[in-house]
Amino acid sequence: DAKTTQPTSMDCAEGRAANLPCNHSTISGNEYVYWYRQIHSQGPQYIIHGLKNNETNEMASLIITEDRKSSTLILPHATLRDTAVYYCIVRAVYNTDKLIFGTGTRLQVFP
Amino acid sequence: NAGVTQTPKFRILKIGQSMTLQCTQDMNHNYMYWYRQDPGMGLKLIYYSVGAGITDKGEVPNGYNVSRSTTEDFPLRLELAAPSQTSVYFCASTEGSSYNSPLHFGNGTRLTVT
Repeated sequence: DAKTTQPTSMDCAEGRAANLPCNHSTISGNEYVYWYRQIHSQGPQYIIHGLKNNETNEMASLIITEDRKSSTLILPHATLRDTAVYYCIVRAVYNTDKLIFGTGTRLQVFP
Repeated sequence: NAGVTQTPKFRILKIGQSMTLQCTQDMNHNYMYWYRQDPGMGLKLIYYSVGAGITDKGEVPNGYNVSRSTTEDFPLRLELAAPSQTSVYFCASTEGSSYNSPLHFGNGTRLTVT
């Protein structure tokens, strides 16, 4: 079973921040949180990852709660091209082993 | 680098036929994965491999076989195609020993079984 739970769908107005939550209450100390997105039927694309500190890159920001049981992916200024399914997964530092995806959140950005 | 390459892009099979979905990567990644994605659904792990000669079952392995004779290649075999195997198949790879190495996905193979 997936180790993460996400809302099925969300809407966001273009130009506004999109905040996508993820629950990973059983995360272990050596597991990172990774985010991917899938546009249309393309292969998923890596966005960002983190362990316990907040992370930011050119695509998004990742906020991880202090207890690490949940996280939020933030797209600061959503565009129509950000309409996609967003997946949150947890992955061990070593012994990557199985990588199970959940059902993801379908983000619809509207004009 | 080409990354992860999957062939063919599209295929139509009749029930009972067999085929091999090809996946190759040129990043020298140890870990490789096969996922399937049914329409409107998320990714389901079929099989994975942590290195040449080592494979293991994922969430939905029934009806499929894999082999990993080289680091680069990870083919997925369907022996007796069934309509339930109609799906989009994605191959992915990662440098498993490094937590900073994300999954790299191919562009998928769209398979229809009729």
